[in-house]
Amino acid sequence: DQQVKQNSPSLSVQEGRISILNCDYTNSMFDYFLWYKKYPAEGPTFLISISSIKDKNEDGRFTVFLNKSAKHLSLHIVPSQPGDSAVYFCAAPDRGSTLGRLYFGRGTQLTVWP
Amino acid sequence: EAGVVQSPRYKIIEKKQPVAFWCNPISGHNTLYWYRQNLGQGPELLIRYENEEAVDDSQLPKDRFSAERLKGVDSTLKIQPAELGDSAVYLCASSIDRVQGEQFFGPGTRLTVL
Repeated sequence: DQQVKQNSPSLSVQEGRISILNCDYTNSMFDYFLWYKKYPAEGPTFLISISSIKDKNEDGRFTVFLNKSAKHLSLHIVPSQPGDSAVYFCAAPDRGSTLGRLYFGRGTQLTVWP
Repeated sequence: EAGVVQSPRYKIIEKKQPVAFWCNPISGHNTLYWYRQNLGQGPELLIRYENEEAVDDSQLPKDRFSAERLKGVDSTLKIQPAELGDSAVYLCASSIDRVQGEQFFGPGTRLTVL
């Protein structure tokens, strides 16, 4: 049973436009969320996070929005650049226990074309 | 600062053969994780260490998988015997402690079992 879901396996966006990547979660105990970016043959790298006490967190071109009532978050990239082409994973740590594992979605492949 | 180091980067073996993966976490990171990423999926936790202690190995198939983290630094993950379904990318990650959500990932070992 996937606790973090990314239902769009791929997204294609023109350079300069906005990219919006979506993520849903089912576990209401999650209170912290992260986005990771992964290039081929590399491990995931941390991109941006958000705590459940906020509904928005911004870092340069990247903004994450959290809608707790809908159990939904989204990552906005504005403007999109070809170097942003990668797989983006949404993740949430299991803070409700002593485990501390990260639950990942399946990822969304973003392609930014010139 | 050096990142998480993993070796080998690629491994091809016949089924029923043993295989081992090695990980050196970021210096000072007490928590070490092994994840498995199947094709088209997000990483899934296999085992988590706090220093030398394995505190979460509930997802580790113990009949064929084993892991160790001697002296609380480097870690080795072993599969014996390997099965076709073990083909995946094995990722090692580390963090300062289990409370901090951000985990730093190595490049992974891509295992192919023939």
